[in-house]
Amino acid sequence: NAGVTQTPKFRILKIGQSMTLQCTQDMNHNYMYWYRQDPGMGLKLIYYSVGAGITDKGEVPNGYNVSRSTTEDFPLRLELAAPSQTSVYFCASRSGGTGNEQFFGPGTRLTVL
Amino acid sequence: QQQVKQSPQSLIVQKGGIPIINCAYENTAFDYFPWYQQFPGKGPALLIAIRPDVSEKKEGRFTISFNKSAKQFSLHIMDSQPGDSATYFCAACSTFSSNTGKLIFGQGTTLQVKP
Repeated sequence: NAGVTQTPKFRILKIGQSMTLQCTQDMNHNYMYWYRQDPGMGLKLIYYSVGAGITDKGEVPNGYNVSRSTTEDFPLRLELAAPSQTSVYFCASRSGGTGNEQFFGPGTRLTVL
Repeated sequence: QQQVKQSPQSLIVQKGGIPIINCAYENTAFDYFPWYQQFPGKGPALLIAIRPDVSEKKEGRFTISFNKSAKQFSLHIMDSQPGDSATYFCAACSTFSSNTGKLIFGQGTTLQVKP
């Protein structure tokens, strides 16, 4: 199993551009999450999904959108990128039920200039 | 009330020392408290977790101490090794009801263990 994979690893965007961060998991997990990590701030939840077709906002959803058309994929869309979205983005998945461990991908480092 | 406060921000110890990282929370609905370990350039990985019905949990050299009345919990690393140098995050969530697994993370502690 590859676990949770994320692409791209690095990206530089200009202000106002858009992009999609890809996340795929091969563990058949129901729950998926997107976090952003900023220095000294820990990880903040952007969006999460409890299953295909169901998504909900986390702590910091503004400027982002998600979709969950399949169990495996949970892309994060940035529209009109802003410098404040410069961060490292992590996708995670969890089986659900009594399984609380979240499995994280390797992250995408995004810079908006 | 949703915050988890973590300290210290950074920590340097000698090999064999016992670094201690502390976290405090306010939301009494939290009932699951994991610690994640993150190496540079990698995603976080679960290290150890505890529920409030026990005051201590050990896994190898890693121990969580939990004080429910004080709403605090801490991570102790026994006989620390240079390979333990990483960033450590505490987190908390409520598993009641729908158990969406929404973790609230602390700010992180960067640990350096000197040889």
